[in-house]
Amino acid sequence: QSVLTQPPSASGTPGQRVTISCSGSSSNIGSNYGYWYQQLPGTAPKLLIYTNNQRPSGVPDRFSGSKSGTSASLAISGLRSEDEADYYCATWDDSLGGWVFGGGTKVTVL
Amino acid sequence: QVQLLESGPGLVKPSETLSLTCTVSGGSISSYYWSWVRQPPGKGLEWIGYIYYSGTTDYNPSLKSRVTISVDTSKNQFSLKLSSLTAADTAVYFCARHAGDSASYYAFDIWGQGTMVSVSS
Repeated sequence: QSVLTQPPSASGTPGQRVTISCSGSSSNIGSNYGYWYQQLPGTAPKLLIYTNNQRPSGVPDRFSGSKSGTSASLAISGLRSEDEADYYCATWDDSLGGWVFGGGTKVTVL
Repeated sequence: QVQLLESGPGLVKPSETLSLTCTVSGGSISSYYWSWVRQPPGKGLEWIGYIYYSGTTDYNPSLKSRVTISVDTSKNQFSLKLSSLTAADTAVYFCARHAGDSASYYAFDIWGQGTMVSVSS
């Protein structure tokens, strides 16, 4: 059971907008930055969003992040076939004293 | 650009100690925090612990009694030791760099490719 709760799956057709939620608590998302990672099969996670809503250089602006209270969200607009991957949220948990991840959301492009 | 590469045995016996090394190339290990993260087959990510180039460490409380992370700045490497292995420790082990000057504020921006470790007799 992950500390951060994500839906196990999400899907959409090419061009659609997909949103993934990450629900936490006051000791993690509520008081620390949220991060999002994309993991393609057989590869290492890739940083997609940092400090809640910033994109690293090279990440398309189709990806956007936000945070409200104890939840974070990742939105993918203009969905493309290459966006099929697992997506993980992450943050520091003050109570546990360590980094915690969501269970991951598998995005399928129909 | 900075690259990370994990190395170590792919198969370890139960009750033994796993030793992995992460070699940093294209940049200095100094002035950054470095972590180990693992992923059991078909499952999610789990943070193991971090080390600062000066040697300061912090570990996942659930693994703390079995984990030691060390750094060798002369070799631009840091290492993981995980003791008393069981089948539940079978996973891909990643090393990663923290993005800023605080290991609790800034998550991982650069990752190694990962190395698969199986625990089996």
